[in-house]
Amino acid sequence: EAQVTQNPRYLITVTGKKLTVTCSQNMNHEYMSWYRQDPGLGLRQIYYSMNVEVTDKGDVPEGYKVSRKEKRNFPLILESPSPNQTSLYFCASSSGTGAEAFFGQGTRLTVV
Amino acid sequence: KQEVTQIPAALSVPEGENLVLNCSFTDSAIYNLQWFRQDPGKGLTSLLLIQSSQREQTSGRLNASLDKSSGRSTLYIAASQPGDSATYLCAVTGADNAGNMLTFGGGTRLMVKP
Repeated sequence: EAQVTQNPRYLITVTGKKLTVTCSQNMNHEYMSWYRQDPGLGLRQIYYSMNVEVTDKGDVPEGYKVSRKEKRNFPLILESPSPNQTSLYFCASSSGTGAEAFFGQGTRLTVV
Repeated sequence: KQEVTQIPAALSVPEGENLVLNCSFTDSAIYNLQWFRQDPGKGLTSLLLIQSSQREQTSGRLNASLDKSSGRSTLYIAASQPGDSATYLCAVTGADNAGNMLTFGGGTRLMVKP
C-alpha cells in the first residue's frame, strides 16, 4: 500500500530536549516536505526536499532542521524545542512539480 | 503572496442533501488545486486533484470544478452521508514556487446529521 509514515504519532517533551520526527514514503517520490498545522493559521510549509541531499526552507523554517540522505526518508529535527513549536506536524510527498501530494497521519507534538 | 480562502468555515446539513464548498485563491498562476479531507486526529486524505488546464474532476459522489481565471474552485458533494463529516481543505500549488509547496485554505468543517 502506497503510504507516508510518520513516527511518533504523539510526543510530549520538555523545552530544549532535542527530538526527531521520522517520515518515510514507499512511492519512490522525489519531493518531500514538512508542514505544521496551527489553529487559525492553517497548514504552513516548514522545509522541503526535491531530491536526495537537496533541501530548502519553506515558509516557517526557524527552529527546525531536516536531512535527506535517502530518497524514502525525510526526518524533521528540533534541536532545542520551545513551547511555540507545539503543533500538529505533517509530512508529505509527491512525484514532482504539480503532482498529487500524499500526507502522513500527523505527529502531535507538545513542548512543555 | 498567494492567499486561499474557504467559505463557509462550518456547515451543518441533514443527511441526503447536496452541498457545495467554496474555495478562492488570489493568484491564478497555479499548477493545480487539490481538495483534501481531514478527520479528527488523522492525516489529510487527497480527494481530487485538478490540474490548471482542467475544468473539473469527479470521483464518486464528489465533483470539483476549477475556474482559474476567476480564482475559484467548488467541491460538490452529492447525497451527503454522516460519514462525510470532516474538515475539507483546498490547497493550490503556485506555478512559481519550488518544492511543490501547497498553500492551504482554512478549511470547511462539515457535519452531516443523520
